[in-house]
Amino acid sequence: AQKVTQAQTEISVVEKEDVTLDCVYETRDTTYYLFWYKQPPSGELVFLIRRNSFDEQNEISGRYSWNFQKSTSSFNFTITASQVVDSAVYFCALRPLGNYKLTFGKGTLLTVNP
Amino acid sequence: DTGVSQDPRHKITKRGQNVTFRCDPISEHNRLYWYRQTLGQGPEFLTYFQNEAQLEKSRLLSDRFSAERPKGSFSTLEIQRTEQGDSAMYLCASSLGTGEGLTKYFGAGTRLSVL
Repeated sequence: AQKVTQAQTEISVVEKEDVTLDCVYETRDTTYYLFWYKQPPSGELVFLIRRNSFDEQNEISGRYSWNFQKSTSSFNFTITASQVVDSAVYFCALRPLGNYKLTFGKGTLLTVNP
Repeated sequence: DTGVSQDPRHKITKRGQNVTFRCDPISEHNRLYWYRQTLGQGPEFLTYFQNEAQLEKSRLLSDRFSAERPKGSFSTLEIQRTEQGDSAMYLCASSLGTGEGLTKYFGAGTRLSVL
């Protein structure tokens, strides 16, 4: 069975602060994929990133960066210089190779205040 | 290319009524999924189609739920004799079969309120 834990239920920051969203996962599969999705108030889940379990290279995309550490089963997401438009619920998700189901965490509500 | 679209966006119904939701996936995607999301939770898998074939149904999907994808394009999710516990956001997603198919693209969902 798979499990994704996002221990931070809510985070509130002031604009321009950096913020890190934590994600810890459990799986017995050796090959799997990790995802981050953003869900703004409109409701649509917006895909942000996919990471393969055999690729531990960190990734940066603009103000977003992801730190994947297989040794600690973590896939953390950092927003640098946060903006009000970053306010949303962020979900971490896991999908083993050969399995089409995504297992989501409960999400972290990020509020960026002006 | 348009994304995944769902209709309606909101549905309010009385307990015991039937409701039907529609999902139009990204045009070249052959895989389609339904998820349900309740307040404060992440989405949970309901069912999966590859083309027109429904390949798996979650135990969350009781006999009152039925999903179809008649021509391998759009899909419908019907709930019969709705109960208050059915109130949730119903999300549809689609993906390709291989490669980039590892990534699911979601619609904006249909929010169901059962009174």
